[in-house]
Amino acid sequence: SQQGEEDPQALSIQEGENATMNCSYKTSINNLQWYRQNSGRGLVHLILIRSNEREKHSGRLRVTLDTSKKSSSLLITASRAADTASYFCATDGRSGNTPLVFGKGTRLSVIA
Amino acid sequence: DGGITQSPKYLFRKEGQNVTLSCEQNLNHDAMYWYRQDPGQGLRLIYYSQIVNDFQKGDIAEGYSVSREKKESFPLTVTSAQKNPTAFYLCASSFEGNQPQHFGDGTRLSIL
Repeated sequence: SQQGEEDPQALSIQEGENATMNCSYKTSINNLQWYRQNSGRGLVHLILIRSNEREKHSGRLRVTLDTSKKSSSLLITASRAADTASYFCATDGRSGNTPLVFGKGTRLSVIA
Repeated sequence: DGGITQSPKYLFRKEGQNVTLSCEQNLNHDAMYWYRQDPGQGLRLIYYSQIVNDFQKGDIAEGYSVSREKKESFPLTVTSAQKNPTAFYLCASSFEGNQPQHFGDGTRLSIL
């Protein structure tokens, strides 16, 4: 059951540029989370935004949430080669203690 | 250091053989999860457990089995009934179903 869909599937930028990834979902949520995965490794939680929040910052990361459009975006500012990874959004369901549902991810390549 | 440990890192299965993937966490998390990730794809939920001695099927449970006899441990058995087991398997844990998940570094399973 795919809930979140990231866009674009792949993104290639130069070091120092900003990277924006989008996530759309279908049903109402309590929160939306973003994760990062380096090649061959497990996912690492980056940031959680609740349904009553519109924007959240963490270092060079900025996440927005528009519940009316059922969409979120992740902005990485001043990107570095070390930001090269896949980024996934994950959504919960409003119906109690249900597991997160992950999208297929955006593969970000930052070229030095 | 608190964390989640998966072993082995690489595993090979012969035809008709069952294999078991280990997942141990010392984060005192109640919930644990198993995901399958195919190349260039997102995560698909195999099984999850919200409490000891209880677990639920995810989206792709056929050909897999789990147990949750201890809070810290959630092993996954890939049975001979799983005809296409080659994939990257990720284990995760969290306090509750919609809270941030901590991931292990995965087990890559291949067929001999």
